Amino acid sequence: AQSVTQLDSQVPVFEEAPVELRCNYSSSVSVYLFWYVQYPNQGLQLLLKYLSGSTLVKGINGFEAEFNKSQTSFHLRKPSVHISDTAEYFCAVSTIILTGGGNKLTFGTGTQLKVEL
Amino acid sequence: KAGVTQTPRYLIKTRGQQVTLSCSPISGHRSVSWYQQTPGQGLQFLFEYFSETQRNKGNFPGRFSGRQFSNSRSEMNVSTLELGDSALYLCASSLEGVSHGGTGELFFGEGSRLTVL
Repeated sequence: AQSVTQLDSQVPVFEEAPVELRCNYSSSVSVYLFWYVQYPNQGLQLLLKYLSGSTLVKGINGFEAEFNKSQTSFHLRKPSVHISDTAEYFCAVSTIILTGGGNKLTFGTGTQLKVEL
Repeated sequence: KAGVTQTPRYLIKTRGQQVTLSCSPISGHRSVSWYQQTPGQGLQFLFEYFSETQRNKGNFPGRFSGRQFSNSRSEMNVSTLELGDSALYLCASSLEGVSHGGTGELFFGEGSRLTVL
């Protein structure tokens, strides 16, 4: 079974500072990895995804993530955050369902990013 | 291209009642998944429908049910509501799962926030 661990439940950071949100996953097979962002009272929006190829993935709003297979990590980074980045961030792994196919994402518990002036 | 649409956005029910939530997927998407989001349990997979058939199911009691129509629109129903059913219910649509050549990427609606009193 696949699982996702987000080690930090909350990350406070000052505006214009860099930030890293950590994500580790466990899986016995190749996986696809995602980062989603959720603003208050809204659904989840895809930030970026790793499917294959280059291990450094760039997403929207200046975010990027690096896939590290040996460390089973997919940490999210932004070199300079803005107040508007305040939101909850979820790391997810695509669960491979071999019988009957199907789509299922396994989510981490989320990291609340709070950007302060 | 219109996104995933969920109705209603907010609703309040009392214990013992039932509720039906609706989801219209992105045009062309045949897979619709439902997730429950609560502060304590995070994002939990309820079920997935594909071409009017339930393809996968999470670990929820039988009070939670769903269906999908021929136009891919989906509904979920919760009967005999309990206080613990208060949550944000998220619908997501996608093209195809990983085991069938897809990426597993989900596109989420803004959710239906259910409050049970």
